[in-house]
Amino acid sequence: QKEVEQNSGPLSVPEGAIASLNCTYSDRGSQSFFWYRQYSGKSPELIMFIYSNGDKEDGRFTAQLNKASQYVSLLIRDSQPSDSATYLCAVMGRVAGNMLTFGGGTRLMVKP
Amino acid sequence: GAVVSQHPSRVICKSGTSVKIECRSLDFQATTMFWYRQFPKQSLMLMATSNEGSKATYEQGVEKDKFLINHASLTLSTLTVTSAHPEDSSFYICRATGNTEAFFGQGTRLTVV
Repeated sequence: QKEVEQNSGPLSVPEGAIASLNCTYSDRGSQSFFWYRQYSGKSPELIMFIYSNGDKEDGRFTAQLNKASQYVSLLIRDSQPSDSATYLCAVMGRVAGNMLTFGGGTRLMVKP
Repeated sequence: GAVVSQHPSRVICKSGTSVKIECRSLDFQATTMFWYRQFPKQSLMLMATSNEGSKATYEQGVEKDKFLINHASLTLSTLTVTSAHPEDSSFYICRATGNTEAFFGQGTRLTVV
C-alpha cells in the first residue's frame, strides 16, 4: 500500500464548478498535510497546508482533514482554466526533519 | 522572487558525463535540503536528505556513488549526477527547509543523450 494515495485522474470539471480532490494516507501518526499545484515542467507551488481536523479556507480553496479516516481533500470553488494542473498531496509524518511524502498527484482539467 | 534558486533549469549532456545541479537559498539558512526526482507523469520521489555539514542520507535504491550530494554551507547544496545515462533523464528538484521556511527550487530538466 502506498503511503499517500491519490486518484491520478484526469478530473475534468467545467469552468465555474467545484473541483474536489482527494487524498488518503497510511501513517496514522502523520502531523501535517499539504496541497501543492504543479504545472507541467515546473516545480510544485504550495497552495495550502492543514494541521487540524476540519476545514481550512483560503480564497477559492478549502482543505478538509479527517484524521480518523486518514483523509484529506482540497476543494476548488469557481474553477478556472488556469487551475488546470496536477495537484499533489503531501504528508509530513512523525519522523522529524520536515520530510514530505508525496502522493502520485491528480491531474485536473478545467474546461472553458 | 525565488527564495531557492536552482540551476541550471535545463541541461542536455552526453552519456557518461557528469552534471552538477545547484540549489541556493537566498533569504534564509537551509538547514536541510531534500532532493527529489520526478519522471514524466509521476510524482516526486525523494532521493536523499542532507543536513548542512553532514553526509546525505539516501533513500533505498538510490546509488550514493552515482548521485553525489554536497551541503557544505547553509545556503548551498549541490547534486552531481556522475556518469549519467539516458535512464537518468528526469526532472530534479530541490527543497530547502530552515527553521520555519520550506521552498522548492525551480527544478532542473536533465536530458542525457
